[in-house]
Amino acid sequence: GAVVSQHPSWVICKSGTSVKIECRSLDFQATTMFWYRQFPKQSLMLMATSNEGSKATYEQGVEKDKFLINHASLTLSTLTVTSAHPEDSSFYICSARQPSYNEQFFGPGTRLTVL
Amino acid sequence: KQEVTQIPAALSVPEGENLVLNCSFTDSAIYNLQWFRQDPGKGLTSLLLIQSSQREQTSGRLNASLDKSSGRSTLYIAASQPGDSATYLCAPRDQAGTALIFGKGTTLSVSS
Repeated sequence: GAVVSQHPSWVICKSGTSVKIECRSLDFQATTMFWYRQFPKQSLMLMATSNEGSKATYEQGVEKDKFLINHASLTLSTLTVTSAHPEDSSFYICSARQPSYNEQFFGPGTRLTVL
Repeated sequence: KQEVTQIPAALSVPEGENLVLNCSFTDSAIYNLQWFRQDPGKGLTSLLLIQSSQREQTSGRLNASLDKSSGRSTLYIAASQPGDSATYLCAPRDQAGTALIFGKGTTLSVSS
């Protein structure tokens, strides 16, 4: 299957700082990438849909000015958590859609801890 | 808005048992549906993808069925093994190109 990577796999930061998470599709071009957030023992919640070369579409309740998404190329999308606070601590997972199979492939996730 | 429910929330079985995990979704007009497993603290591993026109898919000891009209899917695991212990997630896709919507999952524990 197609491979999606995320970097970093985990990050610890101080409250008020910004953190950038990268999502890459390694062996296919992804016109669409999705960002999810998962709190402990909860389901994956879709945060936003990112299309290459255009602005991301955010789900209701997700602050677009706090969670900045950039999808500048067909293989890379980034999520920046700005002015992070402890309540932003979560597991962030990206996925990339492979158009030919209309299937989503998921990255390994990034564990964010805000102190 | 699509909502996904998975029953049971947790399941503990001895090794060798056959088991069924249930998934229901509120909007039956789906494009396809995927089943994933997630190990603690890890990302997702895709298990099976069922198109809306299909009724089931099989991969090894796993069999997933889809009853689109009733908004249900089941994942059947045959001869369970300790290595099957994980959380299993069901996720329908409403339209081609849109995001998967996830249930809370069923956490399976298989004891040896």
